[in-house]
Amino acid sequence: DADVTQTPRNRITKTGKRIMLECSQTKGHDRMYWYRQDPGLGLRLIYYSFDVKDINKGEISDGYSVSRQAQAKFSLSLESAIPNQTALYFCATSGLAGWNEQFFGPGTRLTVL
Amino acid sequence: AQSVTQLDSQVPVFEEAPVELRCNYSSSVSVYLFWYVQYPNQGLQLLLKYLSGSTLVKGINGFEAEFNKSQTSFHLRKPSVHISDTAEYFCAVSYGGSQGNLIFGKGTKLSVKP
Repeated sequence: DADVTQTPRNRITKTGKRIMLECSQTKGHDRMYWYRQDPGLGLRLIYYSFDVKDINKGEISDGYSVSRQAQAKFSLSLESAIPNQTALYFCATSGLAGWNEQFFGPGTRLTVL
Repeated sequence: AQSVTQLDSQVPVFEEAPVELRCNYSSSVSVYLFWYVQYPNQGLQLLLKYLSGSTLVKGINGFEAEFNKSQTSFHLRKPSVHISDTAEYFCAVSYGGSQGNLIFGKGTKLSVKP
């Protein structure tokens, strides 16, 4: 089984709808991240969490919110989706230190019409 | 501002040729350097990392990278590429010491042709 799973893998939605992307990990890591990937822009950090009670904004948090339901679960929500949020979304996990490798999920391709 | 620059967005190369993918970062006292690879329709996976010590680091699949502090560079190399190396490669830097998050470059698409 995969160490970092994301659901759904693909989602098409309409402008204004609320969307939740879910991430689960079995690696026992404390840190979890949400990134979005856009062609030619690389990966940009949306939110990150050091533990259940610690949530931090990343580079591009506007229009997004997150919830860390447990050490193993980290969800990303788009309260009112807009076409500009069409992208590939990745969840990742790592140990606590900045030198730790990040482990990525397979990604969720989100299309907002 | 902290930044990571990958100088080439696309690199086409023939099979069995050498390749170098370039990465420069903005100067900082304490950095950790990473290269990740993304195969089509997959997430990213770690190729190699530099934390300290020897400036030449070896990774998976025959890749290596050299940390050059004076040039603030961390270029990725492979002496002979295979078709299976076709992927997108991301350089990433952690600037904040033990608390730092990764900043990713915009990626370089390596296309290996027969």
